[in-house]
Amino acid sequence: EVQVVESGGGLVQPGGSLKLSCAASGFTFSGSAMHWVRQASGKGLEWVGRIRSKANSYATAYAASVNGRFTISRDDSKNTAYLQMNSLKTEDTAVYYCARQQGDYPDYWGQGTLVTVSS
Amino acid sequence: EIVLTQSPATLSLSPGERATLSCRASQSISNYLAWYQQKPGQAPRLLIYDASNRATGIPARFSGSGSGTDFTLTISSLEPEDFAVYYCQQRSNWPLTFGGGTKVEI
Repeated sequence: EVQVVESGGGLVQPGGSLKLSCAASGFTFSGSAMHWVRQASGKGLEWVGRIRSKANSYATAYAASVNGRFTISRDDSKNTAYLQMNSLKTEDTAVYYCARQQGDYPDYWGQGTLVTVSS
Repeated sequence: EIVLTQSPATLSLSPGERATLSCRASQSISNYLAWYQQKPGQAPRLLIYDASNRATGIPARFSGSGSGTDFTLTISSLEPEDFAVYYCQQRSNWPLTFGGGTKVEI
Protein backbone atom coordinates (compact mmCIF):
# COMPACT_ATOMS: atom_id res chain seq x y z
CA GLU A 1 0.00 0.00 0.00
CA VAL A 2 1.33 3.41 -0.99
CA GLN A 3 1.81 5.68 2.03
CA VAL A 4 3.13 9.21 2.33
CA VAL A 5 3.44 10.79 5.79
CA GLU A 6 4.44 14.39 6.40
CA SER A 7 5.89 15.68 9.66
CA GLY A 8 7.74 18.63 11.10
CA GLY A 9 5.09 21.32 11.02
CA GLY A 10 4.56 23.78 13.82
CA LEU A 11 4.59 27.40 14.90
CA VAL A 12 7.46 29.59 13.72
CA GLN A 13 8.08 33.32 13.84
CA PRO A 14 8.28 35.42 10.68
CA GLY A 15 11.80 35.26 9.28
CA GLY A 16 12.36 31.86 10.86
CA SER A 17 13.09 28.45 9.38
CA LEU A 18 11.45 25.04 9.45
CA LYS A 19 12.20 21.69 7.81
CA LEU A 20 9.40 19.34 6.84
CA SER A 21 9.85 15.62 6.20
CA CYS A 22 7.91 13.28 3.95
CA ALA A 23 8.31 9.56 4.67
CA ALA A 24 7.20 7.25 1.90
CA SER A 25 6.52 3.54 1.65
CA GLY A 26 4.78 1.01 -0.56
CA PHE A 27 6.43 2.06 -3.83
CA THR A 28 9.87 2.54 -5.35
CA PHE A 29 10.68 5.87 -3.76
CA SER A 30 14.08 6.21 -5.42
CA GLY A 31 12.50 6.09 -8.86
CA SER A 32 9.75 8.60 -8.16
CA ALA A 33 9.57 12.36 -8.33
CA MET A 34 8.00 13.97 -5.27
CA HIS A 35 5.96 17.15 -4.99
CA TRP A 36 5.09 19.59 -2.23
CA VAL A 37 1.74 21.40 -2.40
CA ARG A 38 0.27 23.74 0.20
CA GLN A 39 -3.20 24.91 1.16
CA ALA A 40 -4.00 27.90 3.33
CA SER A 41 -7.03 27.53 5.57
CA GLY A 42 -10.22 27.70 3.52
CA LYS A 43 -8.29 28.31 0.31
CA GLY A 44 -7.30 26.35 -2.77
CA LEU A 45 -4.22 24.32 -3.61
CA GLU A 46 -0.87 25.94 -4.43
CA TRP A 47 1.98 23.93 -5.91
CA VAL A 48 5.23 24.59 -4.06
CA GLY A 49 7.87 22.50 -5.79
CA ARG A 50 9.12 19.14 -7.00
CA ILE A 51 12.25 17.00 -6.90
CA ARG A 52 12.98 14.37 -9.51
CA SER A 53 14.81 11.07 -9.08
CA LYS A 54 18.54 10.35 -9.18
CA ALA A 55 18.12 9.18 -12.78
CA ASN A 56 16.95 12.73 -13.53
CA SER A 57 19.77 14.34 -11.55
CA TYR A 58 17.54 15.20 -8.60
CA ALA A 59 16.31 18.20 -10.60
CA THR A 60 14.16 20.62 -8.64
CA ALA A 61 11.56 23.19 -9.63
CA TYR A 62 9.79 25.76 -7.45
CA ALA A 63 6.89 28.16 -7.50
CA ALA A 64 7.91 31.79 -7.88
CA SER A 65 6.45 32.57 -4.45
CA VAL A 66 8.97 30.33 -2.69
CA ASN A 67 11.92 30.28 -5.09
CA GLY A 68 15.10 31.25 -3.28
CA ARG A 69 13.56 30.65 0.17
CA PHE A 70 12.52 26.99 0.03
CA THR A 71 14.69 23.99 -0.89
CA ILE A 72 13.53 20.47 -1.63
CA SER A 73 15.89 17.54 -1.08
CA ARG A 74 15.64 13.79 -0.65
CA ASP A 75 17.41 10.86 0.98
CA ASP A 76 16.64 7.74 -1.01
CA SER A 77 18.28 5.53 1.65
CA LYS A 78 15.57 6.71 4.07
CA ASN A 79 12.71 6.91 1.55
CA THR A 80 12.23 10.49 2.67
CA ALA A 81 11.85 13.85 0.98
CA TYR A 82 12.37 17.18 2.72
CA LEU A 83 11.21 20.76 2.41
CA GLN A 84 13.56 23.29 3.98
CA MET A 85 11.75 26.59 4.47
CA ASN A 86 13.74 29.73 5.26
CA SER A 87 12.81 33.40 5.62
CA LEU A 88 9.25 32.39 6.39
CA LYS A 89 6.44 34.89 5.93
CA THR A 90 2.96 34.98 7.43
CA GLU A 91 1.57 34.15 4.00
CA ASP A 92 3.41 30.81 4.10
CA THR A 93 0.95 29.65 6.77
CA ALA A 94 -0.75 26.56 5.34
CA VAL A 95 -1.11 22.82 5.44
CA TYR A 96 1.79 21.36 3.48
CA TYR A 97 1.19 18.19 1.53
CA CYS A 98 3.76 15.83 0.05
CA ALA A 99 2.73 13.74 -2.95
CA ARG A 100 4.22 11.08 -5.15
CA GLN A 101 4.37 11.79 -8.87
CA GLN A 102 2.93 9.12 -11.13
CA GLY A 103 2.48 9.65 -14.86
CA ASP A 104 3.51 13.32 -14.48
CA TYR A 105 0.87 14.14 -11.87
CA PRO A 106 0.90 14.15 -8.06
CA ASP A 107 -1.18 11.06 -7.32
CA TYR A 108 -0.83 9.76 -3.76
CA TRP A 109 -0.88 12.56 -1.17
CA GLY A 110 -0.14 12.49 2.53
CA GLN A 111 -2.50 13.95 5.13
CA GLY A 112 -0.44 17.10 5.44
CA THR A 113 1.36 18.98 8.21
CA LEU A 114 0.34 22.43 9.43
CA VAL A 115 2.83 25.28 9.35
CA THR A 116 1.87 28.47 11.15
CA VAL A 117 4.01 31.57 10.74
CA SER A 118 3.12 34.09 13.40
CA SER A 119 4.71 36.29 16.03
CA GLU B 1 1.87 31.07 -15.67
CA ILE B 2 -1.21 29.24 -16.90
CA VAL B 3 -4.38 30.27 -15.09
CA LEU B 4 -7.14 27.71 -14.65
CA THR B 5 -10.65 29.06 -14.08
CA GLN B 6 -13.22 26.69 -12.66
CA SER B 7 -16.97 27.18 -12.84
CA PRO B 8 -19.31 27.28 -11.15
CA ALA B 9 -17.79 28.03 -7.77
CA THR B 10 -20.58 26.09 -6.11
CA LEU B 11 -22.91 23.48 -7.53
CA SER B 12 -26.00 22.58 -5.51
CA LEU B 13 -27.42 19.19 -6.48
CA SER B 14 -29.13 16.14 -5.03
CA PRO B 15 -27.97 12.52 -4.88
CA GLY B 16 -28.66 10.79 -8.17
CA GLU B 17 -28.33 13.95 -10.23
CA ARG B 18 -25.68 14.59 -12.87
CA ALA B 19 -22.87 17.03 -12.08
CA THR B 20 -20.98 18.92 -14.78
CA LEU B 21 -17.90 20.89 -13.70
CA SER B 22 -15.90 23.15 -15.99
CA CYS B 23 -12.22 24.13 -16.10
CA ARG B 24 -10.89 26.67 -18.59
CA ALA B 25 -7.18 27.29 -19.21
CA SER B 26 -5.73 30.69 -20.11
CA GLN B 27 -3.87 29.06 -23.02
CA SER B 28 -3.83 25.70 -24.70
CA ILE B 29 -2.62 22.85 -22.49
CA SER B 30 -3.34 20.00 -24.91
CA ASN B 31 -4.79 17.23 -22.70
CA TYR B 32 -2.41 17.77 -19.78
CA LEU B 33 -5.10 18.20 -17.16
CA ALA B 34 -6.00 16.34 -13.99
CA TRP B 35 -8.97 16.47 -11.65
CA TYR B 36 -8.82 15.96 -7.90
CA GLN B 37 -11.47 15.50 -5.23
CA GLN B 38 -10.99 16.87 -1.72
CA LYS B 39 -13.24 16.25 1.26
CA PRO B 40 -13.06 18.33 4.46
CA GLY B 41 -9.99 17.51 6.52
CA GLN B 42 -8.64 15.12 3.88
CA ALA B 43 -5.90 15.20 1.29
CA PRO B 44 -6.78 15.60 -2.38
CA ARG B 45 -7.44 12.40 -4.33
CA LEU B 46 -6.52 12.04 -7.99
CA LEU B 47 -9.60 11.21 -10.08
CA ILE B 48 -8.71 11.88 -13.69
CA TYR B 49 -5.40 12.42 -15.50
CA ASP B 50 -4.57 13.50 -19.03
CA ALA B 51 -8.10 14.92 -19.28
CA SER B 52 -9.99 11.67 -19.66
CA ASN B 53 -8.20 8.77 -17.95
CA ARG B 54 -9.57 7.52 -14.64
CA ALA B 55 -7.01 6.95 -11.93
CA THR B 56 -6.74 3.59 -10.22
CA GLY B 57 -9.84 2.67 -8.23
CA ILE B 58 -11.97 5.59 -9.40
CA PRO B 59 -15.59 4.63 -10.12
CA ALA B 60 -16.89 4.75 -13.68
CA ARG B 61 -19.44 7.45 -12.79
CA PHE B 62 -16.53 9.93 -12.95
CA SER B 63 -15.50 10.95 -16.45
CA GLY B 64 -13.40 13.70 -17.95
CA SER B 65 -13.31 15.29 -21.36
CA GLY B 66 -11.83 18.19 -23.27
CA SER B 67 -8.60 19.40 -24.80
CA GLY B 68 -6.91 22.67 -25.56
CA THR B 69 -8.47 25.19 -23.20
CA ASP B 70 -11.85 23.75 -22.19
CA PHE B 71 -12.32 20.73 -19.95
CA THR B 72 -15.22 19.05 -18.17
CA LEU B 73 -15.54 16.67 -15.25
CA THR B 74 -18.84 14.80 -15.22
CA ILE B 75 -20.25 12.77 -12.36
CA SER B 76 -23.05 10.79 -13.97
CA SER B 77 -25.12 10.11 -10.85
CA LEU B 78 -24.07 11.70 -7.57
CA GLU B 79 -23.52 9.43 -4.61
CA PRO B 80 -23.58 10.88 -1.06
CA GLU B 81 -19.80 10.50 -0.82
CA ASP B 82 -19.25 12.65 -3.92
CA PHE B 83 -20.16 15.89 -2.19
CA ALA B 84 -16.77 17.58 -1.96
CA VAL B 85 -14.54 20.20 -3.58
CA TYR B 86 -13.06 19.43 -6.99
CA TYR B 87 -9.88 20.96 -8.41
CA CYS B 88 -8.37 20.87 -11.86
CA GLN B 89 -4.58 21.00 -12.35
CA GLN B 90 -2.39 21.44 -15.44
CA ARG B 91 1.04 20.00 -16.13
CA SER B 92 1.57 21.52 -19.55
CA ASN B 93 3.79 24.37 -18.37
CA TRP B 94 5.81 25.14 -15.25
CA PRO B 95 4.79 26.03 -12.68
CA LEU B 96 2.07 23.47 -12.16
CA THR B 97 -1.13 25.33 -11.39
CA PHE B 98 -4.51 24.49 -9.91
CA GLY B 99 -7.91 25.94 -10.48
CA GLY B 100 -9.76 27.64 -7.66
CA GLY B 101 -12.10 24.70 -7.09
CA THR B 102 -15.78 23.86 -7.44
CA LYS B 103 -17.72 22.86 -4.36
CA VAL B 104 -20.41 20.27 -5.01
CA GLU B 105 -22.96 20.53 -2.23
CA ILE B 106 -26.32 19.07 -1.42
